[in-house]
Amino acid sequence: GQNIDQPTEMTATEGAIVQINCTYQTSGFNGLFWYQQHAGEAPTFLSYNVLDGLEEKGRFSSFLSRSKGYSYLLLKELQMKDSASYLCAVWGYNKLIFGAGTRLAVHP
Amino acid sequence: DVKVTQSSRYLVKRTGEKVFLECVQDMDHENMFWYRQDPGLGLRLIYFSYDVKMKEKGDIPEGYSVSREKKERFSLILESASTNQTSMYLCASSFSWRLNETQYFGPGTRLLVL
Repeated sequence: GQNIDQPTEMTATEGAIVQINCTYQTSGFNGLFWYQQHAGEAPTFLSYNVLDGLEEKGRFSSFLSRSKGYSYLLLKELQMKDSASYLCAVWGYNKLIFGAGTRLAVHP
Repeated sequence: DVKVTQSSRYLVKRTGEKVFLECVQDMDHENMFWYRQDPGLGLRLIYFSYDVKMKEKGDIPEGYSVSREKKERFSLILESASTNQTSMYLCASSFSWRLNETQYFGPGTRLLVL
């Protein structure tokens, strides 16, 4: 079967660093996406990894290990506006498969 | 900027009604998708289309149909709405079938079936 696992909820403090993990088992692998979704809004693209390693984009970084079926999203210098759900999604054989999302709450 | 719009943000319908959800994208994207999003389940693909008049079933097509008569517009149809179709419906589009193409999402339609 196809499965993507990520924690349901996380909390963190403003200014801190948080790591959101994602593990996957899919039929085929053609890349992994991270999306951010604020409550009541559309998911928006954050990052894409297809090769092993770390991709850095400002305060956000995403890491991939294909051999381990593992990715993480690293958020640095957390801000209150980073409170949102973070969706891990894998391009499998012919479609994008989403995890259930991780709801991150940033508090002062 | 890519813009994907959906016809309604909120809809309330009765069981058995026929429901139309419309999605329009303004970036000449080839591919369009309909998902539903439920707590704890993530986004699940209902149908997608890679060209005008073409459609493919996703993971959960039962109870739904789609129409793509024009490239920019992709409609999701609930032939006879049921309470288990109460959900958030998200439309998305992407430029091509290259596997790393980002999907751009509309704001969603929250449908309540009574």
